[in-house]
Amino acid sequence: AQSVTQLGSHVSVSEGALVLLRCNYSSSVPPYLFWYVQYPNQGLQLLLKYTTGATLVKGINGFEAEFKKSETSFHLTKPSAHMSDAAEYFCAVSDLRDDKIIFGKGTRLHILP
Amino acid sequence: SAVISQKPSRDICQRGTSLTIQCQVDSQVTMMFWYRQQPGQSLTLIATANQGSEATYESGFVIDKFPISRPNLTFSTLTVSNMSPEDSSIYLCSVIPGVGQPQHFGDGTRLSIL
Repeated sequence: AQSVTQLGSHVSVSEGALVLLRCNYSSSVPPYLFWYVQYPNQGLQLLLKYTTGATLVKGINGFEAEFKKSETSFHLTKPSAHMSDAAEYFCAVSDLRDDKIIFGKGTRLHILP
Repeated sequence: SAVISQKPSRDICQRGTSLTIQCQVDSQVTMMFWYRQQPGQSLTLIATANQGSEATYESGFVIDKFPISRPNLTFSTLTVSNMSPEDSSIYLCSVIPGVGQPQHFGDGTRLSIL
């Protein structure tokens, strides 16, 4: 069975500081990994995805994530936080056998002025 | 990518009533999904809705409570039946626009039950 663990339900960073949101997964097969963002009163928007190939994946809004198989991790980073990055971030895992996605519990990112 | 429209965007309902949520996609898609997001929680898959077949429900969700229709490749409905305050959640539909593509989500329906 697949699962996702996001460390930290709330993360606060200062504007301009590095953003690091942690995600670890469990999967018995090569996973597809995703980061979604949910802004207040909106649905989920795909930030980036990893399927195969290059392990460093770049997404929208300056975010990127690195797939580390040895650590079963897929942490999300952004070099410099912006006030508009304040949102809920969800890490998710899927596999090739079906199209279901398993979501982590989410991390709410707060940006401090 | 697909553009997904959900209606209504929000509603406040009385206990014991039912509400049908609509999900419209601007392109034909094979697989559509319905999720529930309870306050402060992550997303939980309710069911997978494929055109021409019965919806497949996840553990803890039953057809009598959450009947789903999928009349064609661009539309689906989810009904929340006999609502109670515990059903207060955001309900989201999502689709897979094409082979190998990730799920795309609608903006959700914010449902409050008094």
